[in-house]
Amino acid sequence: LAKITQPISMDSYEGQEVNITCSHNNIATNDYITWYQQFPSQGPRFIIQGYKTKVTNEVASLFIPADRKSSTLSLPRVSLSDTAVYYCLVGGPFRNQGGKLIFGQGTELSVKP
Amino acid sequence: DGGITQSPKYLFRKEGQNVTLSCEQNLNHDAMYWYRQDPGQGLRLIYYSQIVNDFQKGDIAEGYSVSREKKESFPLTVTSAQKNPTAFYLCASSGPGETQYFGPGTRLLVL
Repeated sequence: LAKITQPISMDSYEGQEVNITCSHNNIATNDYITWYQQFPSQGPRFIIQGYKTKVTNEVASLFIPADRKSSTLSLPRVSLSDTAVYYCLVGGPFRNQGGKLIFGQGTELSVKP
Repeated sequence: DGGITQSPKYLFRKEGQNVTLSCEQNLNHDAMYWYRQDPGQGLRLIYYSQIVNDFQKGDIAEGYSVSREKKESFPLTVTSAQKNPTAFYLCASSGPGETQYFGPGTRLLVL
């Protein structure tokens, strides 16, 4: 199973771009990479998902190098409301009889004015 | 209004008591999941179900039980065998794309 490593915490200021990198050296061929945002006492909220190269949506971008052993979540122009814990997940399809999602320990992002 | 609902928001358990946490979804998702989250920790998988009337143990299933009699519902029972049940419990569901969508969570406390 892939072991997930991400920074415990990060600080930023409003308006800055924030990049959070996740290491997943043992990622399997079928695994995809997903990022979630979680506020205190709430369920995680899906941000973005990718398999390789770059994925972009209205809130973030996800960069995945060719070897897929790491990934970087990029949050453009953060605001105070982006203060939260960000989880990197790696996992394969459950339908393949054994795929399992592995959560990292999360990165606590603090955005300051 | 589609989504995943969990109830209650807070639940108190006495010693030796079984308690059941509710999870309902109206997203027409086949798969549903239960996770446990301890303070300052990531999520750990308790049970998951890919289809009605079928479920599989996750990483920390001991002391828990589930049922999946309906597609919309996946209740979790925390039994008296679970010696450290205090945690935040999260239910999720996923459709064909397998992206998991989470409910608001239930916080379980022991009296």
